[in-house]
Amino acid sequence: ETGVTQSPTHLIKTRGQQVTLRCSSQSGHNTVSWYQQALGQGPQFIFQYYREEENGRGNFPPRFSGLQFPNYSSELNVNALELDDSALYLCASSFGQGPYEQYFGPGTRLTVT
Amino acid sequence: AQRVTQPEKLLSVFKGAPVELKCNYSYSGSPELFWYVQYSRQRLQLLLRHISRESIKGFTADLNKGETSFHLKKPFAQEEDSAMYYCALSGPRGAGSYQLTFGKGTKLSVIP
Repeated sequence: ETGVTQSPTHLIKTRGQQVTLRCSSQSGHNTVSWYQQALGQGPQFIFQYYREEENGRGNFPPRFSGLQFPNYSSELNVNALELDDSALYLCASSFGQGPYEQYFGPGTRLTVT
Repeated sequence: AQRVTQPEKLLSVFKGAPVELKCNYSYSGSPELFWYVQYSRQRLQLLLRHISRESIKGFTADLNKGETSFHLKKPFAQEEDSAMYYCALSGPRGAGSYQLTFGKGTKLSVIP
């Protein structure tokens, strides 16, 4: 059984640039959620995808967007990067629509300068 | 709005002492509640969820709907329990939205 993987591990971008983060869900999982974790804070929900459809969105501006592909992998795109976007971005996968255990990836550390 | 509060940022206990990590929540209805743990250099993982009523690694958590609390307890702390602990809630089955709302976390340090 393959766990959740994320790429890249870390990256540095300049304010105003765009970034794409990638996530491969655990084998057999069809739901992917993205979270932003700022230093010293708990993860904050960005959005969730179930079978390629967005199924819930947190309090993040439209410049945060996502996709889920037919193989249930996912991308998080952030446009017009701001300094406050610097954080650890976590992807989590689960099976089905429900309050089930979510399996987390190791995260992508994004630094915006 | 749903919210999770973990009042202690850091909790230090001696090995063998009882542990209680506090968690209070705010939610309109009956949420699903979880404790997630992150050990050093490992990813975030589920420790337990209230619906399963399991005891994992000696930890238990009781849901108190009157006090809207879901405190995590262990009678005798072990050094390997040192980690970051996050309380989280989700909408119940049928809610349509199953995002996890996390608290800020409590770092547990077990002193040998």
